[in-house]
Amino acid sequence: GAVVSQHPSWVICKSGTSVKIECRSLDFQATTMFWYRQFPKQSLMLMATSNEGSKATYEQGVEKDKFLINHASLTLSTLTVTSAHPEDSSFYICSADGRSNTGELFFGEGSRLTVL
Amino acid sequence: GENVEQHPSTLSVQEGDSAVIKCTYSDSASNYFPWYKQELGKRPQLIIDIRSNVGEKKDQRIAVTLNKTAKHFSLHITETQPEDSAVYFCAASREETSGSRLTFGEGTQLTVNP
Repeated sequence: GAVVSQHPSWVICKSGTSVKIECRSLDFQATTMFWYRQFPKQSLMLMATSNEGSKATYEQGVEKDKFLINHASLTLSTLTVTSAHPEDSSFYICSADGRSNTGELFFGEGSRLTVL
Repeated sequence: GENVEQHPSTLSVQEGDSAVIKCTYSDSASNYFPWYKQELGKRPQLIIDIRSNVGEKKDQRIAVTLNKTAKHFSLHITETQPEDSAVYFCAASREETSGSRLTFGEGTQLTVNP
């Protein structure tokens, strides 16, 4: 199946700093990527839909100025958590719509963010 | 928007027994229903999916059933093994209209006891 790579896999930062997470589709072009957030023992909650070459679409309740999404190419989307606070600590997972014959959505490995 | 509910939240079975997880969805236009298995700290892995044009799909020990009228779908795992222990998520989407924008259920922690 298609491969989606996410980096970094884990990051620890101080409160008030910004953190960038990258999501790459390695062997296919992804016009659409999705960013999810998962708190411990909870489900995956969609944060935003990232569209190549256009602005991201954010879900209700997600602050677009805090979670900056850039999808500058067909293989790369980035999520920047600005002015991070401890409550932003979570597991962030991206996924890419590879438009495979199976319709499967391909997930990155996830990024564990801990804000001190 | 879509709302997916999943039950039970935890399920404990003995090795060799069957496990059933059930989900309901609210958007009658949803037409793609995947099931994911997620181990601790790992990415979700697709284990089986079903589209609205079929009622049942089976892959070895795993099967999924879909009732469009009632808007619910279920995951069945037979002959469970300890390595089946994980969190399972159901999801739903309108595949054609919005890519694969999935709405997930709350998850079921499955524990298979040896």
